Amino acid sequence: QQQVKQSPQSLIVQKGGISIINCAYENTAFDYFPWYQQFPGKGPALLIAIRPDVSEKKEGRFTISFNKSAKQFSLHIMDSQPGDSATYFCAASDETSGSRLTFGEGTQLTVNP
Amino acid sequence: GAVVSQHPSWVICKSGTSVKIECRSLDFQATTMFWYRQFPKQSLMLMATSNEGSKATYEQGVEKDKFLINHASLTLSTLTVTSAHPEDSSFYICSADHLKLAQFGPGTRLTVL
Repeated sequence: QQQVKQSPQSLIVQKGGISIINCAYENTAFDYFPWYQQFPGKGPALLIAIRPDVSEKKEGRFTISFNKSAKQFSLHIMDSQPGDSATYFCAASDETSGSRLTFGEGTQLTVNP
Repeated sequence: GAVVSQHPSWVICKSGTSVKIECRSLDFQATTMFWYRQFPKQSLMLMATSNEGSKATYEQGVEKDKFLINHASLTLSTLTVTSAHPEDSSFYICSADHLKLAQFGPGTRLTVL
């Protein structure tokens, strides 16, 4: 059973546009929500993460929006660049599981020049 | 800081042979490490949790006799794929717990002929 659902599966945006990827979770015990970026043949790299005590977190061009009541969170990439083309995964964990992560299905982002 | 390495980065083996993959935390100690498997264009699926000095905990559906995990020190966990078959070909990724955050390795590409 997939505990973290991610959409869309793939996304194509033009350079300079906004990329939006959404995730929804079931387990209300989850209290840590990271986003990872993965390039082909590489391990995932942490992009940005949020905890449920805030509704938004911004780091540079990357923003996480978090809706605790809806059990949803999303990644916004502003001014998308071709170098952002990669696969993005949302994930979640709870305090008892620590760094044991449950991943979403992934979104393959393509940013056209 | 908090660097995780994997060795080898890629390996090709014949069907029926065993392959060992190492996961090392280079600048920190990790009581807990995790092993994930990732098939092409799919998400990371947790295989097992590796605890230093104790037996690994395997996820449902993962054959513990086929995927042997040894976490003999605070900086090293190994995954041995025994009697490998072509269906075991995949990208294996480890992560190490550092201050309750996951630090991922670069992954190991296993191809079984």
